[in-house]
Amino acid sequence: GAGVSQSPSNKVTEKGKDVELRCDPISGHTALYWYRQRLGQGLEFLIYFQGNSAPDKSGLPSDRFSAERTGESVSTLTIQRTQQEDSAVYLCASTLVIGELFFGEGSRLTVL
Amino acid sequence: AQSVTQLGSHVSVSEGALVLLRCNYSSSVPPYLFWYVQYPNQGLQLLLKYTTGATLVKGINGFEAEFKKSETSFHLTKPSAHMSDAAEYFCAVRGNTGTASKLTFGTGTRLQVTL
Repeated sequence: GAGVSQSPSNKVTEKGKDVELRCDPISGHTALYWYRQRLGQGLEFLIYFQGNSAPDKSGLPSDRFSAERTGESVSTLTIQRTQQEDSAVYLCASTLVIGELFFGEGSRLTVL
Repeated sequence: AQSVTQLGSHVSVSEGALVLLRCNYSSSVPPYLFWYVQYPNQGLQLLLKYTTGATLVKGINGFEAEFKKSETSFHLTKPSAHMSDAAEYFCAVRGNTGTASKLTFGTGTRLQVTL
């Protein structure tokens, strides 16, 4: 597709379960970002991938959070042993080296 | 390191009135600056950006912003508000280092437009 695609769009899980969120960036975009947006709040940076460089993981809130990206394609954000405070919309965005971010619609995670 | 501060989490204007959303930035290197808009139940989309060159930049839907280095500001304006402008607006900054770096967002300003 032409835009950034994220799946699932909605995920409801029980506390303690693991979840995986997927992001398909725009073809050719070398950089990929994950952000978290809690209800009524701004965007919280999580992790950034740029080509084959080591990712910037400085925003990951705990070791329960991890992300992978294969080359310049799909990325997966994994949250282990989910907690209620993990409930949020997780946004993925991609971009060329110097340019604006193109965002997906987000994955809304609800932890019961 | 870069950061942005958006003054006012909520702004209310009358339809037809001037819209002014404030953003101040902090950056250790020359910045790239952005405004994004998030309409209800939609994803974020780019409104406008400043990279280099002209300091007054125009975006979609009649919005514009001016980069003022002396004031470290990048305020967003629109001469006449429309009901359809009601949304959340985010200012963002990244470093102009020649290689990509993370984009840091402000906490957002929710714009309400009243009749």
